[in-house]
Amino acid sequence: AQSVTQPDIHITVSEGASLELRCNYSYGATPYLFWYVQSPGQGLQLLLKYFSGDTLVQGIKGFEAEFKRSQSSFNLRKPSVHWSDAAEYFCAVDTLGGSGNTGKLIFGQGTTLQVKP
Amino acid sequence: SAVISQKPSRDICQRGTSLTIQCQVDSQVTMMFWYRQQPGQSLTLIATANQGSEATYESGFVIDKFPISRPNLTFSTLTVSNMSPEDSSIYLCSVRGRKNTEAFFGQGTRLTVV
Repeated sequence: AQSVTQPDIHITVSEGASLELRCNYSYGATPYLFWYVQSPGQGLQLLLKYFSGDTLVQGIKGFEAEFKRSQSSFNLRKPSVHWSDAAEYFCAVDTLGGSGNTGKLIFGQGTTLQVKP
Repeated sequence: SAVISQKPSRDICQRGTSLTIQCQVDSQVTMMFWYRQQPGQSLTLIATANQGSEATYESGFVIDKFPISRPNLTFSTLTVSNMSPEDSSIYLCSVRGRKNTEAFFGQGTRLTVV
């Protein structure tokens, strides 16, 4: 069965520092991968996605992520964190391509990002 | 992109009662889903809402507890029945236009059962 693991439940970084959030997936075929952000009391907003092609994808708000098939990873990065980036971050994999083609997403446990001034 | 309106945004309900959550999309979409996010947890898929037919439920979720309707391509409802405090969660509607696109989410319904 497909699964997504975000090893870091909580991360604290200083404003202006770089950020990397880890995501590992388990999936038999090439997955479709997503990063979403959820601010307190809000729904989920898509940061970026990977379907195919260039393994380094750019997203909104200065975020990028790199797909590494050999490591089954899709880590999210940002060179300089802003206080407004404090939120919950979710990595997700699309079950599309497997049997059933249901189109539903499987989410990781989430990583809470705290930004110190 | 799709704009999703989810109502109510929050509610406090008595145990044993039911609450119906509405999800309205501004365009026709192929797929609609309902997720649950328990406090401090990730999102868990409840079911896929199928237009004109019964929803497809995930393991651990049953129709009697979470009846779902989807009368057309832009609207769906989720009912949380016979509520208990364990049902206190955020319930999110999600849509996808085509299979190779991202999923969009409503703002969620924050439900507290007392």
